[in-house]
Amino acid sequence: GAVVSQHPSWVICKSGTSVKIECRSLDFQATTMFWYRQFPKQSLMLMATSNEGSKATYEQGVEKDKFLINHASLTLSTLTVTSAHPEDSSFYICSASSTGPGNSPLHFGNGTRLTVT
Amino acid sequence: AQRVTQPEKLLSVFKGAPVELKCNYSYSGSPELFWYVQYSRQRLQLLLRHISRESIKGFTADLNKGETSFHLKKPFAQEEDSAMYYCALATQGGSEKLVFGKGTKLTVNP
Repeated sequence: GAVVSQHPSWVICKSGTSVKIECRSLDFQATTMFWYRQFPKQSLMLMATSNEGSKATYEQGVEKDKFLINHASLTLSTLTVTSAHPEDSSFYICSASSTGPGNSPLHFGNGTRLTVT
Repeated sequence: AQRVTQPEKLLSVFKGAPVELKCNYSYSGSPELFWYVQYSRQRLQLLLRHISRESIKGFTADLNKGETSFHLKKPFAQEEDSAMYYCALATQGGSEKLVFGKGTKLTVNP
């Protein structure tokens, strides 16, 4: 079945530094990928929609300059948390659809646990 | 606004007992509903979607537009069903943007 790989699985960084998270569709092409954030014991909150070859679409309240998204190819989207602060510590999850717009299901990555010290 | 409500954070049943995980949604258009499951230390994966009208691992869910519900049911729970279950809503227009409920942790005791 379709697999989405996310890397790294966990990362610890110092406050003020930037962290890049990769999301890859391993055996299918994904024109659209999604980035979610999950706080402890909370639901997944959609942060942005990553579109291959164009700018990402951010949800209300999500700072696009803080969470940079690049979707340079049909199999890779990256999320960069810039100038990270402790409040950015969270679980970040990406997802992609293997069947194109209008046809879920989405396939999810394993998530990245970010801890900012 | 779109919203998905899962009223139970935790649900505990014994093996062989029926289980129902509740999900209610709020959406003015025509919704597409999903159930996702996350087993311990594994990624989130699709369990079923209402348009497929299928039964996966013995689970079924029926969309009730009158009650705006999409409850997940299984007549005889198994220990391996223990997991986190998320109800999700996709809005009309072929959007893949999902709104998730907060999830229900199901524990099936032996």
